[in-house]
Amino acid sequence: DAKTTQPPSMDCAEGRAANLPCNHSTISGNEYVYWYRQIHSQGPQYIIHGLKNNETNEMASLIITEDRKSSTLILPHATLRDTAVYYCIVLSGAQKLVFGQGTRLTINP
Amino acid sequence: KAGVTQTPRYLIKTRGQQVTLSCSPISGHRSVSWYQQTPGQGLQFLFEYFSETQRNKGNFPGRFSGRQFSNSRSEMNVSTLELGDSALYLCASSGTVGGEKLFFGSGTQLSVL
Repeated sequence: DAKTTQPPSMDCAEGRAANLPCNHSTISGNEYVYWYRQIHSQGPQYIIHGLKNNETNEMASLIITEDRKSSTLILPHATLRDTAVYYCIVLSGAQKLVFGQGTRLTINP
Repeated sequence: KAGVTQTPRYLIKTRGQQVTLSCSPISGHRSVSWYQQTPGQGLQFLFEYFSETQRNKGNFPGRFSGRQFSNSRSEMNVSTLELGDSALYLCASSGTVGGEKLFFGSGTQLSVL
C-alpha cells in the first residue's frame, strides 16, 4: 500500500514554479522519498530522491521537512511539457516501488 | 545508451488466449521489473527478476509469469487471458536488485476482447 498522500490534481501557469506537496507521516528512518512522473502514454520517469537533506538536480528540487513527515517537489520554471502525473513514493532498499494515485499536474499557457 | 525497449507496443488478443511480452533492459542493467497499469487500479507491481531469478512478486494470480535470460532480457507471459487483463504493461530496469531508481520502457498496451 502507498504510504503517501498527494492532492489529486494541481494547476500551474507556464513559467511559474510548480510546488507539489506530499505527506508521508509514517516514514521510517531508513526510507527515502522518491519522485517519479508519468507523461501521457509513456512509462514513468525518475525525477529525484532524498533521505533528509534537500536535493536538486537538472529537473527539480526536493525539499524535505526536518521531521521528514512531508516533502515538496519543485519544478522551478514549469513548461507545458511538465504536464504529467507526479508520484511521491517512500521506500527503503529492500522494498519494491509502490505507486499511489499521484498528482495530476496541468501546466497552463 | 539505449533505453528500455518493450515489444510489441500494441497487442490485441481474445479471452482464453495467452500472450508473451518482451523487455530489453538498459545495457548493463541486471534487474527487470514488470508493472501493470489500469485506469482503475493504477500502477501495480507484478514481479522483479535479477540474474535470471525472481526476487520479488506482487499479488497477481499464477496466470502471470515471467522469466529472465542470461543477457538480462525478460519476458512476461499471461495465460488464459481475461477481459480484466487489458492494461498497459510496463517494464523497468535497474542496475541493482531492489533498485529504486528505475528506468521504464514505453510499455505494451494489451487489449483483451
